[in-house]
Amino acid sequence: SQKIEQNSEALNIQEGKTATLTCNYTNYSPAYLQWYRQDPGRGPVFLLLIRENEKEKRKERLKVTFDTTLKQSLFHITASQPADSATYLCAVNQGGKLIFGQGTELSVKP
Amino acid sequence: GAVVSQHPSRVICKSGTSVKIECRSLDFQATTMFWYRQFPKQSLMLMATSNEGSKATYEQGVEKDKFLINHASLTLSTLTVTSAHPEDSSFYICSATPARTYEQYFGPGTRLTVT
Repeated sequence: SQKIEQNSEALNIQEGKTATLTCNYTNYSPAYLQWYRQDPGRGPVFLLLIRENEKEKRKERLKVTFDTTLKQSLFHITASQPADSATYLCAVNQGGKLIFGQGTELSVKP
Repeated sequence: GAVVSQHPSRVICKSGTSVKIECRSLDFQATTMFWYRQFPKQSLMLMATSNEGSKATYEQGVEKDKFLINHASLTLSTLTVTSAHPEDSSFYICSATPARTYEQYFGPGTRLTVT
């Protein structure tokens, strides 16, 4: 079955820089891949969905890429702000269900 | 749009009692809802898929007699943790998917503590 791997180490960056988070999957390319944000003690919030035939997708300061050759998605936050500090989860669809990675904690320092 | 609510947000119960958690899609209908459990510093683990008008589909290792799921309407699913034990203490989160979309919208979660 599909395994989703995200960098378990926390990512610390300075305000204003671009944060880049990585998501790798192990098996077949999913039809689409999703990114969520989760704050402590809260449910995840949907951010972006990218389909396998899309190389890149943007939404305001967010950008997601999908490389089916590398079996990897990158999630970028440009001009990062302290309010962007949270855990970011990558998820892929498998048989109508979502399989989540363990998430990467992002901390943006002022 | 696409708002999902959960109630209660936090519950403490004694070992051996049952607890019911409600999940509602407030502004859309959801034929399918999902129940997850999340332990500290870990990712979401899918427990079951709740289908309106039919039995839930449980993931491997999840006891269906312990975690009762009812999806009585297109906007409400309930999870009942029966005979709760301290090891059931966790963060329970539901989600729902609007028709003709793939993204899931999550509730705010329910923190269950069994003493």
